[in-house]
Amino acid sequence: AQSVSQHNHHVILSEAASLELGCNYSYGGTVNLFWYVQYPGQHLQLLLKYFSGDPLVKGIKGFEAEFIKSKFSFNLRKPSVQWSDTAEYFCAVKQYNTDKLIFGTGTRLQVFP
Amino acid sequence: GAVVSQHPSRVICKSGTSVKIECRSLDFQATTMFWYRQFPKQSLMLMATSNEGSKATYEQGVEKDKFLINHASLTLSTLTVTSAHPEDSSFYICSASGGGFVHNEQFFGPGTRLTVL
Repeated sequence: AQSVSQHNHHVILSEAASLELGCNYSYGGTVNLFWYVQYPGQHLQLLLKYFSGDPLVKGIKGFEAEFIKSKFSFNLRKPSVQWSDTAEYFCAVKQYNTDKLIFGTGTRLQVFP
Repeated sequence: GAVVSQHPSRVICKSGTSVKIECRSLDFQATTMFWYRQFPKQSLMLMATSNEGSKATYEQGVEKDKFLINHASLTLSTLTVTSAHPEDSSFYICSASGGGFVHNEQFFGPGTRLTVL
């Protein structure tokens, strides 16, 4: 079965530190890739998505992610985090010819001032 | 992006009762709606996929007689948790796709927190 792995379960950073959250998936075919963020008490919001083209995708709030097909990875990055980035981050994968999203287990990010 | 709402946002019920949760796409026609369950500090687990006018497709391990899904119109899907028990307490999230959005992107509702006493 297809799966999505997020190896960092809990990340603690100070403001201005750089962030990289890992995401790997197991499906070998064409995929669409997503990063979602869930702020405390709020609903899931789309940070960025990759469908095709440039494997370096830029999203909202200064986030970016790079699709490396050979590594089945779609890691999320931000050069300088802020306290307001404290949230849960979910990677999700959709097989190209289906509607089903498979979510990773999530990474809890805490940013301290 | 498009807007998806859920009602209620929070519900507390007694064990053995049934609870209905509504999911609405407010500004587009959702040909497909999805229902997820999220346990505390865990990921979203897809429960079922529903297409307007068709029976829902349930994921393995999800009891279709317990979690009744109806997608009667292009803007409304309902999830009814029948004979709820404390173990059904969870955060239920719906999403919707369709309306001509590229690649059938899913838009998520704010979720419904169900507590069964």
